[in-house]
Amino acid sequence: DSGVTQTPKHLITATGQRVTLRCSPRSGDLSVYWYQQSLDQGLQFLIQYYNGEERAKGNILERFSAQQFPDLHSELNLSSLELGDSALYFCASSLPPGPGGFGEQYFGPGTRLTVT
Amino acid sequence: AQSVSQHNHHVILSEAASLELGCNYSYGGTVNLFWYVQYPGQHLQLLLKYFSGDPLVKGIKGFEAEFIKSKFSFNLRKPSVQWSDTAEYFCAVFEWNTDKLIFGTGTRLQVFP
Repeated sequence: DSGVTQTPKHLITATGQRVTLRCSPRSGDLSVYWYQQSLDQGLQFLIQYYNGEERAKGNILERFSAQQFPDLHSELNLSSLELGDSALYFCASSLPPGPGGFGEQYFGPGTRLTVT
Repeated sequence: AQSVSQHNHHVILSEAASLELGCNYSYGGTVNLFWYVQYPGQHLQLLLKYFSGDPLVKGIKGFEAEFIKSKFSFNLRKPSVQWSDTAEYFCAVFEWNTDKLIFGTGTRLQVFP
């Protein structure tokens, strides 16, 4: 158990719909990262938040957005869903790099999204 | 920007065989290096990490990795694999200027009894 929690575990929805995935980082971690993993694209970095602020963007579609709240949990919003958005969505958290933190990320169990 | 190459996409071994998975990163300087493992249907778990010091690092489940600065490599090794090592293995490099982990494309390991 990494200490990172994600809900829900599974999500089945129809094309065109909107869903929200939730992540709670490990206690003390300020950074939250979102990844998408699919068979054809592999592991893709989507977006990073640090202490409530967006820090870095990866291959995130405009239909997707995220935020990190004052209690440091994060939500990933996926809208106008397409069949190709079916994937595993992982959240990870880490300490800031520096004393005690060297960049390693700890991953949550993931949310499996199926768009039908 | 940093990039990571894992040249072995799919490795098939019998139990008790030795394992070496290659990982190369694109440029030098201070690097923090990681290997993650993803068992079927599970999330990524940290296997081992290198920050500084002894270039031979030991991780969980009998895995080790060697950092060779001159070759920009961080290969993962295990002397004798087990069926339970069947998984996907990801090498990653921490990019200091962006605070991001750069992952390789992964190597799928299948171990047959």
